[in-house]
Amino acid sequence: EPEVTQTPSHQVTQMGQEVILRCVPISNHLYFYWYRQILGQKVEFLVSFYNNEISEKSEIFDDQFSVERPDGSNFTLKIRSTKLEDSAMYFCASSGLVPGELFFGEGSRLTVL
Amino acid sequence: GQQLNQSPQSMFIQEGEDVSMNCTSSSIFNTWLWYKQDPGEGPVLLIALYKAGELTSNGRLTAQFGITRKDSFLNISASIPSDVGIYFCAGPYNNAGNMLTFGGGTRLMVKP
Repeated sequence: EPEVTQTPSHQVTQMGQEVILRCVPISNHLYFYWYRQILGQKVEFLVSFYNNEISEKSEIFDDQFSVERPDGSNFTLKIRSTKLEDSAMYFCASSGLVPGELFFGEGSRLTVL
Repeated sequence: GQQLNQSPQSMFIQEGEDVSMNCTSSSIFNTWLWYKQDPGEGPVLLIALYKAGELTSNGRLTAQFGITRKDSFLNISASIPSDVGIYFCAGPYNNAGNMLTFGGGTRLMVKP
């Protein structure tokens, strides 16, 4: 069964460092997303991406965040200068013809020290 | 933003028991989604509901889209140990239907 894959599964970084989280969405899907989940809290929307551009973003997704689809298969989330409060599980997701039915990856745990 | 409230927050039940959990909102939703999250993994879509009053099953899981469009219920029949996890309701809060807001989750624990 096709799945969304994410790397790395866990990254530890120092505050102020840049981090890139990578995702390979399901191949025939059209919409791509990043969500995050701070430990013990609910899953929160960050950004959606369609037709090679950001279609929606939340207030969490400030200038420190950026997304890119550098080629036909990868979808990346970059955090320019990490803060302690960026520590969370970051989930990539994709959806096809039914945009609301999201398929999530297993997540990348980011720990900022 | 739109808030989804789930209850109960946690449940500890005996294997074989039926489970019922619900999700409510002060705003109308046009779609209700139920996800399950196992520890250390991403949410997995269980059931999607698109029409008020709709009742949909997926194996031992049954979910209903409330008539008022402000609530949804998820039932699990004859629970088994692998049902353990966190169950989230979610609904889209934009017109395109792809920006999801999630509830706080119901943590289910099953005693063999």
